[in-house]
Amino acid sequence: QVRLVESGGGVVQPGGSLRLSCAASGFSFSQFGMHWVRQAPGKGLEWVAFIWKDGSSEEYLDSVKGRFTIARDNSKDTLYLQMNNLRADDTAVYYCAKDMWELIAGLLDYWGQGTLVTVSS
Amino acid sequence: AIQMTQSPSSLSASVGDTVTITCRASQDVRNDLGWYQQKPGEAPKLLIHATYTLHADVPSRFSGRGSGTDFTLTISSLQPEDFATYYCLQDFNFPRTFGQGTKLE
Repeated sequence: QVRLVESGGGVVQPGGSLRLSCAASGFSFSQFGMHWVRQAPGKGLEWVAFIWKDGSSEEYLDSVKGRFTIARDNSKDTLYLQMNNLRADDTAVYYCAKDMWELIAGLLDYWGQGTLVTVSS
Repeated sequence: AIQMTQSPSSLSASVGDTVTITCRASQDVRNDLGWYQQKPGEAPKLLIHATYTLHADVPSRFSGRGSGTDFTLTISSLQPEDFATYYCLQDFNFPRTFGQGTKLE
């Protein structure tokens, strides 16, 4: 079955950097686009970024453009989110999620359990 | 960005009831809309995609309707495991945008 396992979260000071990873298994990772979504404590879901299956293109939430970079290594079945210049309002649980379609970008059908990022001095 | 407005933000119901949650898009999203269920401490789970198509293993008491800007999620004959928070999500374009959530309690 589809399994997504995030790692790399932790506590970081404002202005700092963190790289999240998401190890995928149970499906052909290289055939699907992938997303990152976050959820601040006690708040709703916020989509963050998407990368096409071959890594050829990315999409971002406006508030993270220029600070966050989504990437993937299809040889390792792993998705990444490089987060730079972190701010307090980036504090959230970060989920990776698989896109449900191979040829187009659609909804997110399977999610990992998330990793908590806390930005605090 | 397309704004997704859900209502109500919370909903009180009992086992056996039928409830309906509404999601309104700020512009036409055709039928490019899905619904998710999230329980405390868990990741969201996809219930419905393309407005009304049930995802794998989702019980038939869940149903979706709508098109364009107005969508609904109906849960018939509520079960104890259905008490959770529900979100709509548009996949018409980027950035993807979620509704603010409806807590069913």
